[in-house]
Amino acid sequence: DQQVKQNSPSLSVQEGRISILNCDYTNSMFDYFLWYKKYPAEGPTFLISISSIKDKNEDGRFTVFLNKSAKHLSLHIVPSQPGDSAVYFCAAIGSNYKLTFGKGTLLTVNP
Amino acid sequence: SAVISQKPSRDICQRGTSLTIQCQVDSQVTMMFWYRQQPGQSLTLIATANQGSEATYESGFVIDKFPISRPNLTFSTLTVSNMSPEDSSIYLCSVDNGAFFGQGTRLTVV
Repeated sequence: DQQVKQNSPSLSVQEGRISILNCDYTNSMFDYFLWYKKYPAEGPTFLISISSIKDKNEDGRFTVFLNKSAKHLSLHIVPSQPGDSAVYFCAAIGSNYKLTFGKGTLLTVNP
Repeated sequence: SAVISQKPSRDICQRGTSLTIQCQVDSQVTMMFWYRQQPGQSLTLIATANQGSEATYESGFVIDKFPISRPNLTFSTLTVSNMSPEDSSIYLCSVDNGAFFGQGTRLTVV
């Protein structure tokens, strides 16, 4: 049973436009959420996170939104750049402090 | 921050053999985490390794199959034993509970 779901395996956007990556979770005990970026042949790199007591966190071009009632979070990248092309993983942490990952979404930003 | 050097970056192994993956961290860390990413799947925690004690394995993973060593605060190894094609995955080490990852080891078992 997958507790963190990224239902879109891939997403393609034009350079300069907004990229929206979505993530749903089923475990209401998750209280901290993270996004990672992964380039081929590299390990995941932490990108941005959000605590369950917030509904938005912003860091430069990256903003994460959390909707607790819907158990949904999203990552917005504005404006998208070709260098943003990578696999993006959503992850969640609960009271056991262990990370639970989604399967990832491949983002392609076209010049 | 932490820099993690993971070796090998990739390998192709015969079934029935074993492969040991190494992770070296540039600073001392209490816990190191080992993950597996099977093709098309999410990263799954295999075990948590503390220096000076036995690793703690997650459900579905056993020490005989994935023995782990943690001889000091900057180094750990994961061995994939008696490999089968189902073990073909990317294996990753991590520190600081996912804040930093090694570059991964892509293992193919033939």
